Amino acid sequence: GAGVSQSPSNKVTEKGKDVELRCDPISGHTALYWYRQRLGQGLEFLIYFQGNSAPDKSGLPSDRFSAERTGESVSTLTIQRTQQEDSAVYLCASSGHSIQFFGPGTRLTVL
Amino acid sequence: DAKTTQPTSMDCAEGRAANLPCNHSTISGNEYVYWYRQIHSQGPQYIIHGLKNNETNEMASLIITEDRKSSTLILPHATLRDTAVYYCIVRAVYNTDKLIFGTGTRLQVFP
Repeated sequence: GAGVSQSPSNKVTEKGKDVELRCDPISGHTALYWYRQRLGQGLEFLIYFQGNSAPDKSGLPSDRFSAERTGESVSTLTIQRTQQEDSAVYLCASSGHSIQFFGPGTRLTVL
Repeated sequence: DAKTTQPTSMDCAEGRAANLPCNHSTISGNEYVYWYRQIHSQGPQYIIHGLKNNETNEMASLIITEDRKSSTLILPHATLRDTAVYYCIVRAVYNTDKLIFGTGTRLQVFP
């Protein structure tokens, strides 16, 4: 595809369950980012992958959050034992140079 | 990354120019000014970036003061579809590091 895609677009889960969110970056983009946006708030950085370098995990809010990326392709963000405070839109972006292109996001609702 | 200051909200009549200011008084010599916008329920969208010269593309113009401590994003003929939150971000060029989003300016274009 031409842009960054994310799936699912919406996810409703029960408190305590694990969820996996997927991001397909633009082909050839070496950098991939995950951000979180709570309702009415700005974007919060979560994690950043750049090529084969160790990821920058400085934005992950707790050890319940983790992310993986295989090479320069798909990334998954996993949230274990979800809490209601995890409800937010999770946005993925990819970049080849200095401009980041964002996906449409996954809206996560934890009941 | 240097911090930016933007007005919380602005209004603009459809067809008129929208001028969105941004202060970045602590910007470093190697930092560019980037503008993104986020239309409701969508991922952020890149608009334009510049170092010290004025820049123009199909979406907008960017005017940066000579001392580089402030800039203005200009949408020459605002439409209802330009209603969005506009973010001004400063960061080093050729840098794929995370973006740090502030609170942005909520632009409301009215008929």
